[in-house]
Amino acid sequence: GAVVSQHPSRVICKSGTSVKIECRSLDFQATTMFWYRQFPKKSLMLMATSNEGSKATYEQGVEKDKFLINHASLTLSTLTVTSAHPEDSSFYICSARAGEYQPQHFGDGTRLSIL
Amino acid sequence: GQNIDQPTEMTATEGAIVQINCTYQTSGFNGLFWYQQHAGEAPTFLSYNVLDGLEEKGRFSSFLSRSKGYSYLLLKELQMKDSASYLCAAMDSNYQLIWGAGTKLIIKP
Repeated sequence: GAVVSQHPSRVICKSGTSVKIECRSLDFQATTMFWYRQFPKKSLMLMATSNEGSKATYEQGVEKDKFLINHASLTLSTLTVTSAHPEDSSFYICSARAGEYQPQHFGDGTRLSIL
Repeated sequence: GQNIDQPTEMTATEGAIVQINCTYQTSGFNGLFWYQQHAGEAPTFLSYNVLDGLEEKGRFSSFLSRSKGYSYLLLKELQMKDSASYLCAAMDSNYQLIWGAGTKLIIKP
């Protein structure tokens, strides 16, 4: 089945650090990738949608200068949390899909803890 | 507005059958997805329905009624490992998924 790799799985760092998370589709070309955030026992919250070679579309309330997304190829998207603060601590999950009617396949998520 | 409703929590017994319902209201409709999410893990894809009817996949089946804006996920022969949250998501006219809050399924021995 479709495999999406997300790295790193866990990050613990100091406040003010920038953190980069990678999302790769391993066995298919992802026309669209998605970045989600999820707080404990809460539903998935879509942060942004990115299409290869174009700027990401951010959801309302998500700061694009804070959460930088790059979708450089059909198999790689990155999310950079710039100058992270404790309130940015969360579970970040990426997903990728091969086409509009295809399911989103999720990476394993990145648990980010900012001290 | 767009909305997905599903029960917050359900409890069932090992070996039994459980049906998790989902109703949706979206701007346009391009299909209904079900995902399973174990605690602390990312969601995994279970099923996709775009036409009315029942899709069976092993112990799991998913049903869709477009006219009623309704879907259900049916889990048979429940196993302890089926304890998880089940997420219903409808795809709108922009091919974006509108996510439900998830149904936490608790399986008791």
